[in-house]
Amino acid sequence: DAKTTQPNSMESNEEEPVHLPCNHSTISGTDYIHWYRQLPSQGPEYVIHGLTSNVNNRMASLAIAEDRKSSTLILHRATLRDAAVYYCILRASGTYKYIFGTGTRLKVLA
Amino acid sequence: DTGVSQDPRHKITKRGQNVTFRCDPISEHNRLYWYRQTLGQGPEFLTYFQNEAQLEKSRLLSDRFSAERPKGSFSTLEIQRTEQGDSAMYLCASSLARGAGGWGNIQYFGAGTRLSVL
Repeated sequence: DAKTTQPNSMESNEEEPVHLPCNHSTISGTDYIHWYRQLPSQGPEYVIHGLTSNVNNRMASLAIAEDRKSSTLILHRATLRDAAVYYCILRASGTYKYIFGTGTRLKVLA
Repeated sequence: DTGVSQDPRHKITKRGQNVTFRCDPISEHNRLYWYRQTLGQGPEFLTYFQNEAQLEKSRLLSDRFSAERPKGSFSTLEIQRTEQGDSAMYLCASSLARGAGGWGNIQYFGAGTRLSVL
């Protein structure tokens, strides 16, 4: 079944770049990699997604390994408002089931 | 605001009682998902609707759980004979099926219903 592995927690200083890694060695060739974040007492919020190429949007960048078995979410300048749990998620192949895992809790230090 | 709305936000019930939660997706979103989230864990998939059809159910969804989406609009999740282990946040998400590029898989989540079973 689709599975993602992320570090439990990471810390960053404010205004510094943050690289959040995710391993997804079981990914199939056609599955997109999605990243969401969840702030306290809120539902998850979409951040970015990609298939093979690196992707950029106003929130973040996504770097995808050539073999697609891992990816890295890049926050270029962390702010206190970026403190959240970040999830990389996959869809279980052939299903509509999305697998979240336990995510990475990002702490941003002022 | 036309985001995903869930009602109630909090529900406290006694063991053995039935509870029902409602989710109003973003207008015109044809895909709807229910998840359950316990403390310190990521959301766990429960079920998926495309329009009014329930196309997938997790094994987590025991016989005590039932979900509906009449007319392909709002959805309800009912838990019968609640148990203490049902205490969790129940999240609803919706998305709009669209063309290529993975954009149709972007889910918009509500704030959730927190259930406490005493």
